This record gives sequence, C-alpha cells and structure tokens, in this order.
Amino acid sequence: DAGVIQSPRHEVTEMGQEVTLRCKPISGHDYLFWYRQTMMRGLELLIYFNNNVPIDDSGMPEDRFSAKMPNASFSTLKIQPSEPRDSAVYFCASRGNRGWEAFFGQGTRLTVV
Amino acid sequence: GIQVEQSPPDLILQEGANSTLRCNFSDSVNNLQWFHQNPWGQLINLFYIPSGTKQNGRLSATTVATERYSLLYISSSQTTDSGVYFCAVAPYGDKLIFGTGTRLQVFP
Repeated sequence: DAGVIQSPRHEVTEMGQEVTLRCKPISGHDYLFWYRQTMMRGLELLIYFNNNVPIDDSGMPEDRFSAKMPNASFSTLKIQPSEPRDSAVYFCASRGNRGWEAFFGQGTRLTVV
Repeated sequence: GIQVEQSPPDLILQEGANSTLRCNFSDSVNNLQWFHQNPWGQLINLFYIPSGTKQNGRLSATTVATERYSLLYISSSQTTDSGVYFCAVAPYGDKLIFGTGTRLQVFP
C-alpha cells in the first residue's frame, strides 16, 4: 500500500484566495482525520470522518474552513477565503475500523501571503 | 479534555548515549501511539502501545495504563534519531490527541 497520500505537498497562495487540500486514505480504512500543525498550537485535530460521515468538527477554526469526504478514497479540506494565519502544515491520517493505529500522510505545507 | 504532557521538552545527546522520554496523560485511554517527526516533517509511526512493552531495534516503549504514563527508550542514539518525538492518545478510541513533543538533537 502506498500509504496516505496528500496533495499538493506545498501551496503558496495570496490572502483571500480559495485553497483546497486533498487526501487519499489507505485503502480499507474507515476513519479519516485532518490535523493542522503550527509552532504555537502544535498538532491539533480539525475534523474526522467515519465511513465518509463527519463525526467531530469541533476543531475547525471557523466557517472559512470546510471538509468533505465524497467517497471512501478521497477527502478535501477547503479554506475560503484564506488568511495569513492559516499558514501551517496540514496532515491527513487514516486508520481501520478494527485497528486503532493511525497512519499519517506527508502533509501539505500551506503559506498564505 | 484530556491533557497529554511530555518531558523533557528538549534533549541534547552525543551519539551513542541512551535516553528516556516520558508521556503522562490525565485520563484513561484506548489507544496510545509514539511518533517520530523527522527533520523533513514526516510523522513516522514508532509504536502502537496502549499497554505493555514493545521493542523495535534500538527503540522500546512501555505503557502503564493504570498509572497513566508511557515511556520511550532510545538506546545507542544516532544522528538520524534527531527530530521531535510525539506521544498521542485516544481517550475514547477515536481521535488522537497529541502531546507537545520532545525535541531530540543527537550530535556526532
């Protein structure tokens, strides 16, 4: 298995633009998680899905952030409009329904200028 | 919510030295994982260890769930061990909550 795949690896965008981050979980995994890593706040959970259904989005910072999982093999995290304080590394992770171990993608480094 | 504390926050070692990293958590958990974030930012799975002891080469980990702590041992450290080590716990089995990490620097 190729592991969790995220794209793009790096994204630089101007303030006010829409940004879409993408994630392909490990095949067969039922849970998908979106995390954000910053120096100030460390690794924080934004939202997670089980069987494509959002379960807990309490970590989503504000309405500018939205996430979808249209099918078992794809999820997006969208920021519209983006702001400089959204600059961070965004990680996607997945795990199976029977095993508790989570696996992370390589992350997307987002810079909003 | 659950609190996850890691110590020490920073650790500087010379190659060949041994070290112990600690993770304390404030509530019962169903899942505990140790990760290594390398200098390129990748989060690498080290151990899934909600209880007991596991070993993988020079690394080993022990979790005492009843006392709410876990330890990560690194023996004969190498420069490639440098990076940040995270403990993450899942109090209800679903979402992983991360500690603040231990930054390790190993010098030749």
